[in-house]
Amino acid sequence: GDSVTQMEGPVTLSEEAFLTINCTYTATGYPSLFWYVQYPGEGLQLLLKATKADDKGSNKGFEATYRKETTSFHLEKGSVQVSDSAVYFCSNQAGTALIFGKGTTLSVSS
Amino acid sequence: GAGVSQSPRYKVAKRGQDVALRCDPISGHVSLFWYQQALGQGPEFLTYFQNEAQLDKSGLPSDRFFAERPEGSVSTLKIQRTQQEDSAVYLCASSPVSGVNEQFFGPGTRLTVL
Repeated sequence: GDSVTQMEGPVTLSEEAFLTINCTYTATGYPSLFWYVQYPGEGLQLLLKATKADDKGSNKGFEATYRKETTSFHLEKGSVQVSDSAVYFCSNQAGTALIFGKGTTLSVSS
Repeated sequence: GAGVSQSPRYKVAKRGQDVALRCDPISGHVSLFWYQQALGQGPEFLTYFQNEAQLDKSGLPSDRFFAERPEGSVSTLKIQRTQQEDSAVYLCASSPVSGVNEQFFGPGTRLTVL
């Protein structure tokens, strides 16, 4: 069945460091791919998405490229801020429901 | 505008009790989803409604779990005879259309079964 695997955390970085959170997926067909973020005390919210191969989703300085050949959708940001501290979830959607990874906790210190 | 709201935010139940969790989706949203999120895990799909029709309930873990959306807006997830393994955060999400689309999540209800 469909699944999502993302790197385990926690990831601890200093402000302005480069961030990569790896995500790979398995799916039948061609799913849409998403990154959701959960800030402390808040609900899940969409960070970015890509709906077909080679699409790049971007938002708030974060980027992820849909790579069909490697079945990956790695999240990157060139310079993280303390306010980026949160839990990040990679997900895919081939049918109606989202399938989530386990989440990666990012902690950024000043 | 108002987002997805859920109530109660926290619920403590004794094993064997029945509980009802409420979700108020964004007004006008056609699709509504319920997910279960265990501690340290990602959300897992439970069930999906398109308007009042429950089109997918493949994720419900047992027949103790029941969901309804009778008028195509508010939804209730009911768990009968709660067990300790039911302890989790229950998330509701809604989407303006059917099919692949952004889902807007509520804050969740944290259920603890003692």
